[in-house]
Amino acid sequence: QQPVQSPQAVILREGEDAVINCSSSKALYSVHWYRQKHGEAPVFLMILLKGGEQKGHEKISASFNEKKQQSSLYLTASQLSYSGTYFCGTEKGTTDSWGKFQFGAGTQVVVTP
Amino acid sequence: EAQVTQNPRYLITVTGKKLTVTCSQNMNHEYMSWYRQDPGLGLRQIYYSMNVEVTDKGDVPEGYKVSRKEKRNFPLILESPSPNQTSLYFCASSLSRTGNEQYFGPGTRLTVT
Repeated sequence: QQPVQSPQAVILREGEDAVINCSSSKALYSVHWYRQKHGEAPVFLMILLKGGEQKGHEKISASFNEKKQQSSLYLTASQLSYSGTYFCGTEKGTTDSWGKFQFGAGTQVVVTP
Repeated sequence: EAQVTQNPRYLITVTGKKLTVTCSQNMNHEYMSWYRQDPGLGLRQIYYSMNVEVTDKGDVPEGYKVSRKEKRNFPLILESPSPNQTSLYFCASSLSRTGNEQYFGPGTRLTVT
């Protein structure tokens, strides 16, 4: 079952903040965040691993609540370049699921001047 | 330049005519994966490969085949394409199965009439 992302879409003015949430019904090992601009491939933003390790983008932050199987991506002081569709991808915590990724349906972010 | 390449980028074909979409990476990555992207559904994993000769099904494998005979290549085969396989396809690779970002190819837009 795909993780559930919310909101589906958000419109921001430059400089405003936003939070995108990703929720799974299964225990997770990792959560990945990607951004996709129209007509392009998804681009990596952040990985959060069970146990607290994070790898990713300097200016974007995220959190991972392992107990609730939830992750949030924080867009702070948004810039025009933040516009795009954001996807979370999840990997479950069982050995028979290693390598199997499920992505949310995406959150469309529009940043206006 | 480190990259994932896909060919062709665009393809229009007819129902039942076998086709292959190639995927190649030059980063010596162990893990490779195929996804399809449809409006409102995000990315759905078709097949993935943890290493040479090791492949496994994702969430939507029906109607597709893959092989991994060399580390750098991971072709996607549609033996008998149908209109419901019209989609945008992405190949991705990663250093290993988890804990590392996935690098996505530019995408292949397939239309089956």
